[in-house]
Amino acid sequence: AQSVTQLDSQVPVFEEAPVELRCNYSSSVSVYLFWYVQYPNQGLQLLLKYLSGSTLVKGINGFEAEFNKSQTSFHLRKPSVHISDTAEYFCAVTRGYTGRRALTFGSGTRLQVQP
Amino acid sequence: EPEVTQTPSHQVTQMGQEVILRCVPISNHLYFYWYRQILGQKVEFLVSFYNNEISEKSEIFDDQFSVERPDGSNFTLKIRSTKLEDSAMYFCASSVTGDGYTFGSGTRLTVV
Repeated sequence: AQSVTQLDSQVPVFEEAPVELRCNYSSSVSVYLFWYVQYPNQGLQLLLKYLSGSTLVKGINGFEAEFNKSQTSFHLRKPSVHISDTAEYFCAVTRGYTGRRALTFGSGTRLQVQP
Repeated sequence: EPEVTQTPSHQVTQMGQEVILRCVPISNHLYFYWYRQILGQKVEFLVSFYNNEISEKSEIFDDQFSVERPDGSNFTLKIRSTKLEDSAMYFCASSVTGDGYTFGSGTRLTVV
């Protein structure tokens, strides 16, 4: 089975500052990794995903994440945040290739961008 | 851009009543899912559906729950006899394969 740990429940940051949201996963098999964003009272929107290939993945809204297999991490970064990035961010994992397709989510990180 | 549509956006029901949550997945998607998020908690997998049958379910998805794709476009989640602890946001999702999911905006179920 897979599991996901998001180490920070809340991350306050000032506008235009860089941010990193941390995600570690545990799995005995290869995995696909995802970051989702949830704005208040809305659904889950896919930010980016890692399936294979380059370990640096670029997503929407200027976000990127790096897959580090040795550290079992998939941290999300943005070099300069905006007020509009204030939201809940979820890291998720699913078994790669065939097999279990259900997503296992982390507990989420609330990003609070302050002016 | 194609969307997953969920109705209603908010449903209030009395404990013990049956509820049906409705979803219209993206038309060319093959896999369908239900997830739920209890307020303040993580998003949890309930069930996946492929080729007109359940392909996987979690321990949460007990006999009170059922899913159906009645007409080739809708995908429904039924809770037979709701309990207070069923209050949550329920998300429907669909995917072409297992490598990317599109979620709906959710149905907030409140059991009173």
